[in-house]
Amino acid sequence: RKEVEQDPGPFNVPEGATVAFNCTYSNSASQSFFWYRQDCRKEPKLLMSVYSSGNEDGRFTAQLNRASQYISLLIRDSKLSDSATYLCVVLTGGSYIPTFGRGTSLIVHP
Amino acid sequence: DARVTQTPRHKVTEMGQEVTMRCQPILGHNTVFWYRQTMMQGLELLAYFRNRAPLDDSGMPKDRFSAEMPDATLATLKIQPSEPRDSAVYFCASGRTSGNTGELFFGEGSRLTVL
Repeated sequence: RKEVEQDPGPFNVPEGATVAFNCTYSNSASQSFFWYRQDCRKEPKLLMSVYSSGNEDGRFTAQLNRASQYISLLIRDSKLSDSATYLCVVLTGGSYIPTFGRGTSLIVHP
Repeated sequence: DARVTQTPRHKVTEMGQEVTMRCQPILGHNTVFWYRQTMMQGLELLAYFRNRAPLDDSGMPKDRFSAEMPDATLATLKIQPSEPRDSAVYFCASGRTSGNTGELFFGEGSRLTVL
């Protein structure tokens, strides 16, 4: 089983739709969780951290479920500019080595 | 605006040639990572430095790849000899362990094509 798993998609949604991605992780000792965004032919950039209590940043909401070992990202009112690959990142223990999922592709169409 | 700088941005070379990629991390960051990204494998960790010391290079093919950090402002990734299967985008990223923010700042990547 891979350490961090994501549905590669693509998720093809119309503008204005709500879309959610999940990411599962295998190591129960994982401590920190993040969502990164990567545009086509660009570098990954931090979108948001994921806190235990869940957190929201505008149209984006991140949730953590430690019992089931997954994190989620919810995007409301999708924009064309949200089209990208969303990478789930997990940090485990004291290694400070982030482990990346392979990403979920989102395509928002008019 | 601090950023990670990578060179070259693009490199086309022939099989068997040596390739050296360079990275200037953000000043003050004490961790440096080299990742390789392909469509098939996603982002793979090749090497990890903390305070310039190599801590993890288990993901790197040792027979042809080498990573070094001769000083705090320069990290290098070398492939010798290069093979067509090394064609990929190589990203350097830097971050800080203090505060454990976990955020990595990526360079724009070096797109390597080995013919």
